[in-house]
Amino acid sequence: GQNIDQPTEMTATEGAIVQINCTYQTSGFNGLFWYQQHAGEAPTFLSYNVLDGLEEKGRFSSFLSRSKGYSYLLLKELQMKDSASYLCAVFKAAGNKLTFGGGTRVLVKP
Amino acid sequence: KAGVTQTPRYLIKTRGQQVTLSCSPISGHRSVSWYQQTPGQGLQFLFEYFSETQRNKGNFPGRFSGRQFSNSRSEMNVSTLELGDSALYLCASSPGQGTETQYFGPGTRLLVL
Repeated sequence: GQNIDQPTEMTATEGAIVQINCTYQTSGFNGLFWYQQHAGEAPTFLSYNVLDGLEEKGRFSSFLSRSKGYSYLLLKELQMKDSASYLCAVFKAAGNKLTFGGGTRVLVKP
Repeated sequence: KAGVTQTPRYLIKTRGQQVTLSCSPISGHRSVSWYQQTPGQGLQFLFEYFSETQRNKGNFPGRFSGRQFSNSRSEMNVSTLELGDSALYLCASSPGQGTETQYFGPGTRLLVL
């Protein structure tokens, strides 16, 4: 089966840093995606990790530890527009399938 | 390149009716996946099509079905609608050859009364 856990909600201040953790236990794993979803909109791609380690993309970084079944998304220099839900998803290449966690709602306050 | 498009964007139906939703993938993408998103269950995988063949299916009843055409456009159908089918239905496209990013369309918001 698949079990993907992430916190339901986090609050942070503009300009600060927030780390969203994602733990997973899955029967197959080829990589882990992070998506951002603003209310009422479609998810948009943020990052994809296949190998262990940190991938940095501007203000956003994502980390993966396959042995620990753990990933995190780091958002730096938070802006008001970063208020959104952040979804981690485990990818299985067989069947091209994404299994999503419940999402973490991040609220950025001034 | 144009993004993933879905039609219609909003739909209101009554219980017992059936509905067909359409998804046009990014040009050149041959894989289309469908997801249901509800506040209670989050984003759940429905099925995936590649080159007109269903390659994978999630845990949804047989009332949910889909197909893909030779131009990679896909449709999903829900028959005998139930109140619990009210959701945002998202499709995502990818090239379909391996480990690639799936790009989501804007979704169809279905309300069942």
